[in-house]
Amino acid sequence: ETVLTQSPATLSLSPGERATLSCRASQSVSSYLAWFQQKPGQAPRLLIYDASNRATGIPARFSGSGSGTDFTLTISSVEPEDFAVYYCHQRSNGPYTFGQGTKLEIK
Amino acid sequence: QVQLVQSGAEVKKPGSSVKVSCKTSGGTFRTYAISWVRQAPGQGPEWMGGIIPVFGSTNYAEKFQGRLTITADESTTTAYMELSSLRSEDTALYFCARGLGGTLVDWGQGTLVTVSS
Repeated sequence: ETVLTQSPATLSLSPGERATLSCRASQSVSSYLAWFQQKPGQAPRLLIYDASNRATGIPARFSGSGSGTDFTLTISSVEPEDFAVYYCHQRSNGPYTFGQGTKLEIK
Repeated sequence: QVQLVQSGAEVKKPGSSVKVSCKTSGGTFRTYAISWVRQAPGQGPEWMGGIIPVFGSTNYAEKFQGRLTITADESTTTAYMELSSLRSEDTALYFCARGLGGTLVDWGQGTLVTVSS
């Protein structure tokens, strides 16, 4: 199965700072990589699909890039409501898989 | 507006089965893939399998082969996930999610399944 490795495990930032989250795949997933945000007690929320496309209603401060095996989620200026856990997910190779998550916490 | 509403929490004995429903509204039921994802306490999400109602085709993660059955009823726009031979490790929050081509755009609220003797 395709293993997705996210780094860092925890990212400590202050509001207004730039966040850069990484997701590396053990084999190519082409551009079939998505990013989700999850807050406690809630379902994951789709932010980015197919590597770089923002989902409906997602603010422009969220952007995604990459293809093949290396992907990045960038939050240009972190807002207080952005502190959460972020997961990457691939739907290229069966079984579809998720990364282990990056927790974005307040510094 | 798309909504996915799941059935309520379940408590099951080891070795038994559980069936969770996911009622959808809004959008076109037939052509969207519906996936099931579970999340054990304190863990990341895990994709289990999915179905495309218009084709009736299913796709399961090998880990769940033989124990997992996903079905869809077009007349009620409801999808179902049945997991058998339950063990304590199956205790988790189970989500349905919908989107084109396996994307997970819209999510249900989750159903807690607890397996305990």
